[in-house]
Amino acid sequence: DAKTTQPPSMDCAEGRAANLPCNHSTISGNEYVYWYRQIHSQGPQYIIHGLKNNETNEMASLIITEDRKSSTLILPHATLRDTAVYYCIVRASNSGYALNFGKGTSLLVTP
Amino acid sequence: GAVVSQHPSRVICKSGTSVKIECRSLDFQATTMFWYRQFPKQSLMLMATSNEGSKATYEQGVEKDKFLINHASLTLSTLTVTSAHPEDSSFYICSARETHKETQYFGPGTRLLVL
Repeated sequence: DAKTTQPPSMDCAEGRAANLPCNHSTISGNEYVYWYRQIHSQGPQYIIHGLKNNETNEMASLIITEDRKSSTLILPHATLRDTAVYYCIVRASNSGYALNFGKGTSLLVTP
Repeated sequence: GAVVSQHPSRVICKSGTSVKIECRSLDFQATTMFWYRQFPKQSLMLMATSNEGSKATYEQGVEKDKFLINHASLTLSTLTVTSAHPEDSSFYICSARETHKETQYFGPGTRLLVL
């Protein structure tokens, strides 16, 4: 699976949009971009995933660049409950493999 | 939908005893389940992959005789930590992948403390 690079930490004011970047310059054509988050002392929570088109769900939006070498997870209106470690993971489709968690980005949402 | 449960949520045991952790997919069938371990301030590390009806595949450095995994049904996998020692104290998390689908869903984790 392709390696990802994320900033170790970010801050965001409550109510503002949180934009979390991820670089995956070695991504190959059949690899999806997944985003999970882990709130302290809980299991990871699935957020969103995509292949090449931008995706949106009730939690977030995922913007993938045209060359697919980077992506941004957008939380449109961050709340204090969004404080968590966010993991960007790339994985081949139907690989059956586990997710390879890097160090992620620790997002702190402040009042 | 896509809920994964774990039981117990936390357990304290004496050194030398065995502890069983259950992972259940509540509203979907999971051909494949994964077990991870997470030490404080570290990321999740994969321990093993279990496929329903077959033997688990362990990651390098994970002792299969110490961490027994059983995946006897499409909704249940168990991890048994045998002869637990204090260094086995950790946060154990399972995930399940719905059959024929991509996304994995995680359980809430089990915190194990071995005294």
